[in-house]
Amino acid sequence: NAGVTQTPKFRVLKTGQSMTLLCAQDMNHEYMYWYRQDPGMGLRLIHYSVGEGTTAKGEVPDGYNVSRLKKQNFLLGLESAAPSQTSVYFCASSQPGGTGTDTQYFGPGTRLTVL
Amino acid sequence: GQNIDQPTEMTATEGAIVQINCTYQTSGFNGLFWYQQHAGEAPTFLSYNVLDGLEEKGRFSSFLSRSKGYSYLLLKELQMKDSASYLCAVMDSNYQLIWGAGTKLIIKP
Repeated sequence: NAGVTQTPKFRVLKTGQSMTLLCAQDMNHEYMYWYRQDPGMGLRLIHYSVGEGTTAKGEVPDGYNVSRLKKQNFLLGLESAAPSQTSVYFCASSQPGGTGTDTQYFGPGTRLTVL
Repeated sequence: GQNIDQPTEMTATEGAIVQINCTYQTSGFNGLFWYQQHAGEAPTFLSYNVLDGLEEKGRFSSFLSRSKGYSYLLLKELQMKDSASYLCAVMDSNYQLIWGAGTKLIIKP
């Protein structure tokens, strides 16, 4: 099992360019998440999905869009990149257990720099 | 608002014991998680507490007091490989994780 994988690992964009980050998981998890991690701050939720075909906004959704066309994949899009979107992006997945023990498993991260 | 507080950085000696504290104020509580994150890597799950008390898992233990909004992670017999950031996260009433900024633990020989 590969667990959670992310593509690409690194990327440099110019302001205004667009890109898509791909997350894939092979654990058959229902829930998937996109976070960003910035120095001195906790992980912040961008968007999440509770099942194939569903998406919802998290804490910091502006400037991002997502799609979950297949259960195993969760895509994060930046339509017009801005320097404020320079960050490390983590994808995670979890399987709801109904008791709160929804441990999230993380991908290796994508390091994005916007110039 | 929702808030998770933990120290920014701690230093300890190899072979010693260290306690990393976490206090929280959240809308609802459905459990508290501790994750370990080595520099440049992904967070990895360490422990989960939903009831008051101590959960022990090898060299690592985690304690929770819901009435005080307080948890700690206890690391025993410290090894150099324990140098990492330790993230505290609380699952709120919407079953979403609220994350602290993390505590960077530096282990000295």
